[in-house]
Amino acid sequence: AQKVTQAQTEISVVEKEDVTLDCVYETRDTTYYLFWYKQPPSGELVFLIRRNSFDEQNEISGRYSWNFQKSTSSFNFTITASQVVDSAVYFCALSYLLQGAQKLVFGQGTRLTINP
Amino acid sequence: EPEVTQTPSHQVTQMGQEVILRCVPISNHLYFYWYRQILGQKVEFLVSFYNNEISEKSEIFDDQFSVERPDGSNFTLKIRSTKLEDSAMYFCASRGASGKETQYFGPGTRLLVL
Repeated sequence: AQKVTQAQTEISVVEKEDVTLDCVYETRDTTYYLFWYKQPPSGELVFLIRRNSFDEQNEISGRYSWNFQKSTSSFNFTITASQVVDSAVYFCALSYLLQGAQKLVFGQGTRLTINP
Repeated sequence: EPEVTQTPSHQVTQMGQEVILRCVPISNHLYFYWYRQILGQKVEFLVSFYNNEISEKSEIFDDQFSVERPDGSNFTLKIRSTKLEDSAMYFCASRGASGKETQYFGPGTRLLVL
């Protein structure tokens, strides 16, 4: 069975601080995808990143960076120099890589509040 | 940029009534999904649909739920007899044919059952 754990329920930081959101996953599949989605107060789910299980290179996109470590089954997300607009709920998710339905299994989400 | 759309954005209904939630997936996508998010909780998979049939469904997706692709563009979720616990945000998602594709989500329909 697949499972995603986001142990941090809520995080609150002051603007310009760096913040890391943790994600730990469980799967018996050897090939799988990991995702991060952002859910702002308006409610939609915004895709941020997808990584496959074969690619452990860290990725940076502007102020966002992701650290994928297969050895610890973690896929952590760091926001550098946080801004108020980063306030949202962030979900980590997992799906298997093979053809087929590829349902997403989501973590419980981390509510991030950036205070001015 | 193509996007998934959903209607209505909000729906209020009485317990026991039927509701139909509508989605227009991205036009060249072949896999379609419904997910549910009860207020304050995580997003949960309901059902996936491919080649005009359900490919996978969760335990939540019982006989009260059904999905349909009535034409070449719409994808619907029907709840036959709504219960209070069906109150949630319902998200539609779609993705392309390749196993490497990402699922893109619609803005959601917030359903309130009274």
